[in-house]
Amino acid sequence: DTEVTQTPKHLVMGMTNKKSLKCEQHMGHRAMYWYKQKAKKPPELMFVYSYEKLSINESVPSRFSPECPNSSLLNLHLHALQPEDSALYLCASSRLAGLIETQYFGPGTRLLVL
Amino acid sequence: GENVEQHPSTLSVQEGDSAVIKCTYSDSASNYFPWYKQELGKRPQLIIDIRSNVGEKKDQRIAVTLNKTAKHFSLHITETQPEDSAVYFCAASIQGAQKLVFGQGTRLTINP
Repeated sequence: DTEVTQTPKHLVMGMTNKKSLKCEQHMGHRAMYWYKQKAKKPPELMFVYSYEKLSINESVPSRFSPECPNSSLLNLHLHALQPEDSALYLCASSRLAGLIETQYFGPGTRLLVL
Repeated sequence: GENVEQHPSTLSVQEGDSAVIKCTYSDSASNYFPWYKQELGKRPQLIIDIRSNVGEKKDQRIAVTLNKTAKHFSLHITETQPEDSAVYFCAASIQGAQKLVFGQGTRLTINP
């Protein structure tokens, strides 16, 4: 398996809802990333996990809560989001973090907050 | 921190012609420079990358050049085809930083 997968593909949620995004890779990568991408903009780094430990939080609001239950799985828990949080959420993985390693992206979850 | 500037923001070329996209970076410690292609509604896909110990790398119709002194790197696509139409992002990374810093993207359109 040489891909990063993400579910769901699309998600619509209200501002009071709680939802989760899921990312999975079976390439043995030990670094996983969450990015947010608004239309016509580059991906913006949110979080980095290295060996299942959070190593970077780019000052992301606490309504976004990442979780890395094991080396293959990365979740992003969403709660009390705002309409401006609507975006494409991309997961990525790389063999290791901190070295020169290629990041491979998943297809993303397109999130709409109403 | 690192800053990456990318030009042009849009580029339109005739099928069969060449396309060149340029990026400049600010941190001389950056040593890894990938290029990603993102088609509409799809994931960013790595198309080529270069490390700072190399000045040029080629893969079929795609090449990347790096000028460390001037702190800029460029993507060259030759014999362009309609399927090359996409948004292209350059990025820069410093070993140990765990972060990719992206340019703002170039929307490339290949006209048949």
